[in-house]
Amino acid sequence: AQSVTQLGSHVSVSEGALVLLRCNYSSSVPPYLFWYVQYPNQGLQLLLKYTTGATLVKGINGFEAEFKKSETSFHLTKPSAHMSDAAEYFCAVTQESGGYNKLIFGAGTRLAVHP
Amino acid sequence: KAGVTQTPRYLIKTRGQQVTLSCSPISGHRSVSWYQQTPGQGLQFLFEYFSETQRNKGNFPGRFSGRQFSNSRSEMNVSTLELGDSALYLCASSLGDHNKETQYFGPGTRLLVL
Repeated sequence: AQSVTQLGSHVSVSEGALVLLRCNYSSSVPPYLFWYVQYPNQGLQLLLKYTTGATLVKGINGFEAEFKKSETSFHLTKPSAHMSDAAEYFCAVTQESGGYNKLIFGAGTRLAVHP
Repeated sequence: KAGVTQTPRYLIKTRGQQVTLSCSPISGHRSVSWYQQTPGQGLQFLFEYFSETQRNKGNFPGRFSGRQFSNSRSEMNVSTLELGDSALYLCASSLGDHNKETQYFGPGTRLLVL
């Protein structure tokens, strides 16, 4: 069965500092991996996704993530945090076979950015 | 293109009642998935519909049901509401041809059961 673990339910950084949100997955077959962001009282917005090919994936708002198969990780980074990045971030996994459009989400990481 | 829309945005019901939530996907998308979001359980998959057929189902009791119409709009119904059904219900749409596609989420319906 697939699963996603996000280390750290709350992360706090200073404006301009590096953002690192951790995601580890478990999957018996090659995974498809996603990062979504949720602002208060809103739905989820896709930041980036990995399906196949280049393991370093660039997304919107300056975020990127690297798929590391050997570490079963898909950590999200941003070189310089902005106040507007404060939100909750979810890592999700699905797979090629079976379970059409069934995303398995991690518990989420709430990012706080302080001046 | 208009995004995914969900109605109503907020609902208050009492235990034992039933509720119907609606989701209109992005034009051209044939797949609609539903998720429940709660502080305790996080985001959990309810079910997915594609071309009016339920194609996948999560681990929820039979009180949770759904359907999809020929125009791809979808509804989910919860009967005999319980306090624990209070949650944000999100729907997401995609083309539905492959798992690697992006699912686009609506703003959600926040249900409060008293």
